[in-house]
Amino acid sequence: KAGVTQTPRYLIKTRGQQVTLSCSPISGHRSVSWYQQTPGQGLQFLFEYFSETQRNKGNFPGRFSGRQFSNSRSEMNVSTLELGDSALYLCASSSGLTSGKQETQYFGPGTRLLVL
Amino acid sequence: SQQGEEDPQALSIQEGENATMNCSYKTSINNLQWYRQNSGRGLVHLILIRSNEREKHSGRLRVTLDTSKKSSSLLITASRAADTASYFCATQNTGGFKTIFGAGTRLFVKA
Repeated sequence: KAGVTQTPRYLIKTRGQQVTLSCSPISGHRSVSWYQQTPGQGLQFLFEYFSETQRNKGNFPGRFSGRQFSNSRSEMNVSTLELGDSALYLCASSSGLTSGKQETQYFGPGTRLLVL
Repeated sequence: SQQGEEDPQALSIQEGENATMNCSYKTSINNLQWYRQNSGRGLVHLILIRSNEREKHSGRLRVTLDTSKKSSSLLITASRAADTASYFCATQNTGGFKTIFGAGTRLFVKA
């Protein structure tokens, strides 16, 4: 099975711009979660989508949004970029079927975003 | 704040030695997982231990879980230079889908 893929791998933007990142989960997986990783804050949960619905959300401002398509592919969007949004954005997929119990998440290689 | 807190923050050992990393968490959990990350790349799942388990093995990895102390440890035996990476514990509160990662332990294995 192909792993989780993320595009683009690297991105440079300037403050005020917006950005869209894409994640394709492992075939058959219906849950996609997004994380932001920075040296200062570590790995922080952004949101999780299951069957095109946002099932859980972290503590990020409304500038961070996401969606999931019927083929389970997911996108996240960050509007009005700030310098502090520079980070590695990771997505992870899982089957999502264990009804509240944690299961193994498979991570993509990440998108490294630099905001200038 | 992070649910899981690892210690030490950094660990440097010689090849062949054992490495032990600890994780503490604050609330009731369904289970706890350990992940490895090489140089700012994606995370690789290592092992999952359920809340009703006390110890689990996978190759050179041994994980323990003490729910009374809300803590877990990851032991890597006979370490190799290729084990150099950051190691994270991850927990999920009972009833939720949000996974919380600790700050991680940076392990450096010298050849």
